[in-house]
Amino acid sequence: QKEVEQDPGPLSVPEGAIVSLNCTYSNSAFQYFMWYRQYSRKGPELLMYTYSSGNKEDGRFTAQVDKSSKYISLFIRDSQPSDSATYLCAMTRSGGSYIPTFGRGTSLIVHP
Amino acid sequence: KAGVTQTPRYLIKTRGQQVTLSCSPISGHRSVSWYQQTPGQGLQFLFEYFSETQRNKGNFPGRFSGRQFSNSRSEMNVSTLELGDSALYLCASSLEVATSVYEQYFGPGTRLTVT
Repeated sequence: QKEVEQDPGPLSVPEGAIVSLNCTYSNSAFQYFMWYRQYSRKGPELLMYTYSSGNKEDGRFTAQVDKSSKYISLFIRDSQPSDSATYLCAMTRSGGSYIPTFGRGTSLIVHP
Repeated sequence: KAGVTQTPRYLIKTRGQQVTLSCSPISGHRSVSWYQQTPGQGLQFLFEYFSETQRNKGNFPGRFSGRQFSNSRSEMNVSTLELGDSALYLCASSLEVATSVYEQYFGPGTRLTVT
């Protein structure tokens, strides 16, 4: 079992939909949680990062962490075709190696 | 500020050959990490350099090596290429934003195809 699990999709939604992207993890030592967006033929781009449990909002994006369930989510409101990309979750341990462990990514397609 | 640059962007090599990939980090960033990305395995960490020293290493064979120069530019080398080395190789430069929390900025990657 991989430390970080992420459904590869693809997830196809109509424009304007609320999108929910999720990751589960097995290592309770993870404390910092990140979401990256990767467009085709590009490198990943950091969208948001959160520490421990709770929510963080940035524009149309909300990151949510539930440490008790070892489950993190990224919500995208009013999704746009330009949001079509692969979304990768990543996480690091507190006090240990800060090299992130990545999920395999979920492919999102927002169709007009 | 200019972003992370990687050269070359595309490369085709034959089994058994060796290859060198180059990465220039964002100015002021001293940490450079290398990753291999494949559809099957996702993003896998190769190694990280900080101030010309390898600070972290992933679980890759010794055929994969790297180095960092005094200007923070980094190179990675793969010797005796195998078909399974075909992948997107990503370089990321990092900035510590809080204790043990690093923001990583990725380059566009080098697409390596081994035939």
